[in-house]
Amino acid sequence: QQKVQQSPESLIVPEGGMASLNCTSSDRNVDYFWWYRQHSGKSPKMLMSIFSNGEKEEGRFTVHLNKASLHTSLHIRDSQPSDSALYLCAASSQGGRALIFGTGTTVSVSP
Amino acid sequence: GPKVLQIPSHQIIDMGQMVTLNCDPVSNHLYFYWYKQILGQQMEFLVNFYNGKVMEKSKLFKDQFSVERPDGSYFTLKIQPTALEDSAVYFCASSLLLGGYEQYFGPGTRLTVL
Repeated sequence: QQKVQQSPESLIVPEGGMASLNCTSSDRNVDYFWWYRQHSGKSPKMLMSIFSNGEKEEGRFTVHLNKASLHTSLHIRDSQPSDSALYLCAASSQGGRALIFGTGTTVSVSP
Repeated sequence: GPKVLQIPSHQIIDMGQMVTLNCDPVSNHLYFYWYKQILGQQMEFLVNFYNGKVMEKSKLFKDQFSVERPDGSYFTLKIQPTALEDSAVYFCASSLLLGGYEQYFGPGTRLTVL
C-alpha cells in the first residue's frame, strides 16, 4: 500500500491557468512534506517544503498543509510551459532519513 | 545552488557483472542517500549513509548492494552481481542534517543491465 498518495495522476492546464495538485500520507509519523519538480530526464529539484499547518507562498507557487489529515496541496498560478514536468510529493519524519515519494502528478501546460 | 555530481551518466553492463556508481555530494553535507527510479515509475529510497555507516536501508537494498565513502572521496553504490531488474536511474542525494533539511539530488546514473 502506497504511503504517499498523489492525485491527479496527470493534469493538462492552459497557459496562464491554475494547476492544483494533491498529496496525502497514510503514515502518522510524518512531520515534513516536500514538493519536488522533475523535468523529463532530469533530477528532482525541491520546489517547496511545508512543516506546519497553514499556507506558504513563494512567487507563483502556494502550498497548503493540514497536519490532522496529513494532506498537502500545491497550487501553481499563471502556469507557464516551463512548468510542464512531473511533480513529486515526498514525506519524511523527524527521526527518519528517507524521503518517501508519491507516484507523482504529470503536469502539461498547453500554450 | 549546491550541486551533487554523479559519474557516469550512463552505464551499460551485462547481467552478473559488477558496477560502481559514483557520487560527489555537496561539500559540507553529512548525510548521503541513494534512490532508484525505474523509467516511468516512482522514486524509491534505497539507503542512507552517515559517518561511515549505513543508517537506514529499504527492502530494495539487496545483499548484492553496498555503499561506502572511503576517506571523504566519492560516495559509491556498488552492485555485485547485477540483475536485469537493477536497470533503472540511480539518484544520489545529500543533506546537511536530518529532519527539515533539504535533500539535494544529483543528475542520476542511468544503468542498463543486459
